[in-house]
Amino acid sequence: DAGVIQSPRHEVTEMGQEVTLRCKPISGHNSLFWYRQTMMRGLELLIYFNNNVPIDDSGMPEDRFSAKMPNASFSTLKIQPSEPRDSAVYFCASSFFGGEKLFFGSGTQLSVL
Amino acid sequence: GNSVTQMEGPVTLSEEAFLTINCTYTATGYPSLFWYVQYPGEGLQLLLKATKADDKGSNKGFEATYRKETTSFHLEKGSVQVSDSAVYFCALSRGNTGNQFYFGTGTSLTVIP
Repeated sequence: DAGVIQSPRHEVTEMGQEVTLRCKPISGHNSLFWYRQTMMRGLELLIYFNNNVPIDDSGMPEDRFSAKMPNASFSTLKIQPSEPRDSAVYFCASSFFGGEKLFFGSGTQLSVL
Repeated sequence: GNSVTQMEGPVTLSEEAFLTINCTYTATGYPSLFWYVQYPGEGLQLLLKATKADDKGSNKGFEATYRKETTSFHLEKGSVQVSDSAVYFCALSRGNTGNQFYFGTGTSLTVIP
């Protein structure tokens, strides 16, 4: 299995631009998570989906952030408009529902100038 | 609520030194406990886990024992290697909340030859 695949690995953009991060979970997994990692705040859960349905988005910072999961094999995290304080590493992870092991992607390093 | 507190880093050790990274948790009921490791430039991966009180998780020479009386899950290794340099995250999961994982802020470990 290829594991959780995230793209792009690195994204550099200017303030105000739209940013879209992509994730392909492991085939057969039915839970998907988006995390953000910064030095100041550590690893924060932004949102998670079960069977393509958003279950808890209380970690999404504000309305500029949105996440979708149109099918079991694809999810996006969008930031519009982006701001410098959004600079972070964004991780996608997947698991079986109720499973006790998360599988993480390699992350997207986002820099907003 | 549910939360994890782990010792502040960074930690720097000489090769073959003994490692302890402290982790305590707050949770209702009976969570499962985990240690995840993040190597440079990669996503997190599961290192070990314990699902009930007094269980000992172990992997790659690392160990941690689930102590309900002290609500702790400290990570230990008797002799660290340069290849153990990474960031270590303590985490808990509450089964009855589906896949809700709570991570600590991470502890950076550097092992010098």
